[in-house]
Amino acid sequence: DAGVIQSPRHEVTEMGQEVTLRCKPISGHDYLFWYRQTMMRGLELLIYFNNNVPIDDSGMPEDRFSAKMPNASFSTLKIQPSEPRDSAVYFCASSLGVKGPYEQYFGPGTRLTVT
Amino acid sequence: RKEVEQDPGPFNVPEGATVAFNCTYSNSASQSFFWYRQDCRKEPKLLMSVYSSGNEDGRFTAQLNRASQYISLLIRDSKLSDSATYLCVVNGPDTGNQFYFGTGTSLTVIP
Repeated sequence: DAGVIQSPRHEVTEMGQEVTLRCKPISGHDYLFWYRQTMMRGLELLIYFNNNVPIDDSGMPEDRFSAKMPNASFSTLKIQPSEPRDSAVYFCASSLGVKGPYEQYFGPGTRLTVT
Repeated sequence: RKEVEQDPGPFNVPEGATVAFNCTYSNSASQSFFWYRQDCRKEPKLLMSVYSSGNEDGRFTAQLNRASQYISLLIRDSKLSDSATYLCVVNGPDTGNQFYFGTGTSLTVIP
């Protein structure tokens, strides 16, 4: 298996632009997570899906952020409009479950810079 | 109060040393515990799960203390390749099934 795939790996954009991050989870994993990592705040859970359905989006910072999972093999995280404080590394992860010792497999991340 | 707290370090230790990290968690109903490792500019990867009875994997030993609500990671005979950030992770049904990550403890092993 290729693991969790994320694209793009790097994104540089100007404030106010729309940014779309993409993720392909490991086949067969029912859970998909979006995280944001910064030096100041560490790794923060933004939203997670179970069987393509959003379960908890309480970590989404504000309405500028939205996430979708149209099918089991694809998810997007969109920021519109982007702001400099959104600069961070965004990770997607997938797992077989959450109740128990299930490992989360992370993608390589998207390093977002908003100028 | 944060769900999971770690000493950020940094820990700078010589090769061959033994080093221990602790992590505290706030929700007493948490049920699953893990240590993840994150190399610079890379994604986190599972190092080991932490079981109630404690568990060992080679030079690495993980312990869980439910009474005091902390988990620990002990690394013996440190290698240069152990240099990384170690993240403590907690989850369980009463945490909304979320995985809560600590901010990580930075370790540098010096030749």
